[in-house]
Amino acid sequence: GAVVSQHPSRVICKSGTSVKIECRSLDFQATTMFWYRQFPKQSLMLMATSNEGSKATYEQGVEKDKFLINHASLTLSTLTVTSAHPEDSSFYICSARAMTGGGNIQYFGAGTRLSVL
Amino acid sequence: QKEVEQNSGPLSVPEGAIASLNCTYSDRGSQSFFWYRQYSGKSPELIMFIYSNGDKEDGRFTAQLNKASQYVSLLIRDSQPSDSATYLCAVVHGSSNTGKLIFGQGTTLQVKP
Repeated sequence: GAVVSQHPSRVICKSGTSVKIECRSLDFQATTMFWYRQFPKQSLMLMATSNEGSKATYEQGVEKDKFLINHASLTLSTLTVTSAHPEDSSFYICSARAMTGGGNIQYFGAGTRLSVL
Repeated sequence: QKEVEQNSGPLSVPEGAIASLNCTYSDRGSQSFFWYRQYSGKSPELIMFIYSNGDKEDGRFTAQLNKASQYVSLLIRDSQPSDSATYLCAVVHGSSNTGKLIFGQGTTLQVKP
């Protein structure tokens, strides 16, 4: 399958700081990437759809000024958690959509575990 | 009614048995169906995808799709303890042009040695 790289895998930061997470498709171009958040023992929650060269589409209830998304190239999307607070501590996972002969498939990065102190 | 429904489990099967995981969806126009496996603390990993009615086999895994009944399942033959994980069913709405996945809440599978 296609490879999606996500960095960093873990970050610990102080309250009020900003954290940037990178998501790269290594062997394919991805016009669309997705950002999810997952709390312990819960399913994935889609935060936003990241479109190359245009603004991200945020899901209802997700603050676009808090979670800044940039998709500047066909292989890179970034999520910046601005002014992070302890309640933002979570597991953030990106995925990239690969177009195959039969349709489109999402491949996931390894995730970033964010802990805000 | 949730858009994609799964029994949260846990589903417990003995090693070597067949594990059967089920999923129903509400959007009759859905076109693409996926099964992901997620180990605790890790991100989802694609197991199978299926687009057409019927069965699709890949090694020990078989995905089954019945669009008339809006039902998709995953069978795991010769279950191994390493198969113990949460299995996520995901569906792409027929109206979606971004491929946005709608996930079920996942079924936890426990394979006991």
